[in-house]
Amino acid sequence: GQQVMQIPQYQHVQEGEDFTTYCNSSTTLSNIQWYKQRPGGHPVFLIQLVKSGEVKKQKRLTFQFGEAKKNSSLHITATQTTDVGTYFCAGRNAGNMLTFGGGTRLMVKP
Amino acid sequence: DVKVTQSSRYLVKRTGEKVFLECVQDMDHENMFWYRQDPGLGLRLIYFSYDVKMKEKGDIPEGYSVSREKKERFSLILESASTNQTSMYLCASSLPGGNSPLHFGNGTRLTVT
Repeated sequence: GQQVMQIPQYQHVQEGEDFTTYCNSSTTLSNIQWYKQRPGGHPVFLIQLVKSGEVKKQKRLTFQFGEAKKNSSLHITATQTTDVGTYFCAGRNAGNMLTFGGGTRLMVKP
Repeated sequence: DVKVTQSSRYLVKRTGEKVFLECVQDMDHENMFWYRQDPGLGLRLIYFSYDVKMKEKGDIPEGYSVSREKKERFSLILESASTNQTSMYLCASSLPGGNSPLHFGNGTRLTVT
C-alpha cells in the first residue's frame, strides 16, 4: 500500500533558527496536506498543495510540492516558541485515500 | 467553525471489556474517520464512513468495528479491548471530495490494563 515517510522524527532548534521537515511518498500523489498538532492538542489543517512544483507561503512557513508529486517540504524561517508542535504531512493518492506521515516533532529553545 | 466532539478525553478500561468511543460533529459533514495515533507512527486510519450506515475499513481495522446510524455521529467499538489498543484515538470529519481538509476532535486517550 501507499507509504508516506517523514523526516526527521524530531528536531531541536534554537529560537531564530530555521527548520525543515521532508515528506516522501512511495506513490504519486493527487495532493498533499499539512497539519500542525500543538502539545496536548489535535491536528489542525494548515494548507493543501495540488499542482506539481507548487510553492505556497503562510507568513514564515513555506510549503513545496515536488515536480513528480511524490515529495513535499515545510520550511519555517526564524522559528519562534509558538512554532512548537508536531507537523504532519498527509498524501492523497489517486484512490482518494489519505495517508499520514509519521510526523516531525519540533522543539524550540528560547 | 466546525466542532468535532469526542465523548471522553481519558478512558481506562480492562482487558476484554467492550469499549465505545463516541464522536459527534456539528457541520453536517458527510465524511467521518477514526484514527489512532502512536509515537513515530503518525495517524493510522482504522475505519471511515462517507454516509449514514456506510462504513469502510481503513489500514488497521482488526479488533475494531464502527457504527454510523446518524450523519453527525460516528462510533468506534472495541469488541474486546486488549493492551495493544492502548493509544490516542482521534475522530475527524470532512466535506466530500478529495480536496477537503480533515477537522479533528480533541482525541480520547485510552489505556487498557
